[in-house]
Amino acid sequence: AQKVTQAQTEISVVEKEDVTLDCVYETRDTTYYLFWYKQPPSGELVFLIRRNSFDEQNEISGRYSWNFQKSTSSFNFTITASQVVDSAVYFCALRDRFWEINNNDMRFGAGTRLTVKP
Amino acid sequence: EAQVTQNPRYLITVTGKKLTVTCSQNMNHEYMSWYRQDPGLGLRQIYYSMNVEVTDKGDVPEGYKVSRKEKRNFPLILESPSPNQTSLYFCASRARGTDNEKLFFGSGTQLSVL
Repeated sequence: AQKVTQAQTEISVVEKEDVTLDCVYETRDTTYYLFWYKQPPSGELVFLIRRNSFDEQNEISGRYSWNFQKSTSSFNFTITASQVVDSAVYFCALRDRFWEINNNDMRFGAGTRLTVKP
Repeated sequence: EAQVTQNPRYLITVTGKKLTVTCSQNMNHEYMSWYRQDPGLGLRQIYYSMNVEVTDKGDVPEGYKVSRKEKRNFPLILESPSPNQTSLYFCASRARGTDNEKLFFGSGTQLSVL
């Protein structure tokens, strides 16, 4: 079965602090895909990153970085020097090759609401 | 511009009054789906469609209907809405080529059923 856990419901930081959003996943498949989406206050869902299970390289994009560890089934997201514009709900999601059997294309976590205060 | 368009953005209705939320994509994507977002639950899939005339249930299909008569359109129908269907709804699409394709989402429809 697929499962995505984002244990942090809400996080509040002050601008310029670093913050890490945790994502832990479960899947029986050896080939799977992990995603992060951002939902700003305006409500739309913005794609941030996609990672394949066979590529464990960490990725950095500006102030954003992602740490993928298969050994702990985690795909954590770090924002360095946070800004007010980073305030949003962040979703981690999983897709494996059994998605059609499971009738669920992309399994989402419950989301983490990040508030960055000035 | 590549996009998924859903309408309306906001909808308030009463219990039992049939409604349709439209969704259209201009990317020639084979795959389309509907999700609902509820606090503490994230996004849950309602229905999906692999291609024209092919639809399947997701995790929470009860109380919803869909149809896929054309490749670009995938409307969500609530024939007798109830208050527990008050939610934020998203339509999404993606190319079907490989399983690593990201989902493109519409802007969302906030539905309130009184």
